[in-house]
Amino acid sequence: EPEVTQTPSHQVTQMGQEVILRCVPISNHLYFYWYRQILGQKVEFLVSFYNNEISEKSEIFDDQFSVERPDGSNFTLKIRSTKLEDSAMYFCASSVETGSMKKLFFGSGTQLSVL
Amino acid sequence: SQQGEEDPQALSIQEGENATMNCSYKTSINNLQWYRQNSGRGLVHLILIRSNEREKHSGRLRVTLDTSKKSSSLLITASRAADTASYFCATDSNDYKLSFGAGTTVTVRA
Repeated sequence: EPEVTQTPSHQVTQMGQEVILRCVPISNHLYFYWYRQILGQKVEFLVSFYNNEISEKSEIFDDQFSVERPDGSNFTLKIRSTKLEDSAMYFCASSVETGSMKKLFFGSGTQLSVL
Repeated sequence: SQQGEEDPQALSIQEGENATMNCSYKTSINNLQWYRQNSGRGLVHLILIRSNEREKHSGRLRVTLDTSKKSSSLLITASRAADTASYFCATDSNDYKLSFGAGTTVTVRA
């Protein structure tokens, strides 16, 4: 069964460093998302992406964050200068459609620890 | 905020019992979805109920939706140890995102 894959599964970085989280969405999906979850808390929306453009972003997704689809398969989230509060599990998701019937397929996440 | 809020936060039941959790939301929706998250894993879609539906079944899952009360419930019947997970409701704020609540953590004791 096709799945969303994320690498790495764990990333440890120093505060102020740049990190890139990588995702390979399901191949026929057109809509891509990043969410994050601080331990034990709710799953927070960061950004959605379609046709090489951001469709929607949350207040969390400030100038330190960027997304890119550098080729036909990868979808990346970059954090330019990490802060302690960026420590969280980051989930990539994709969907084949948008609108009210969209069902998201999630990867297993990247646990980011900022020291 | 559009996002759903689940209740209770945590639930512990014996294997074979039913588990019921609720979700409330604030604004009108097109549909409501439930997802499951096993510890340390991504969310997995369970079921979608449209705003014009009142009840939906999928295997041992039963979802109800009351749009007048802006609430939904998820019932897991005859629970198994493998049902131990966190369960989230998700509402579609717009075409471009789903909003999730904090989830209900269900523990099924053998």
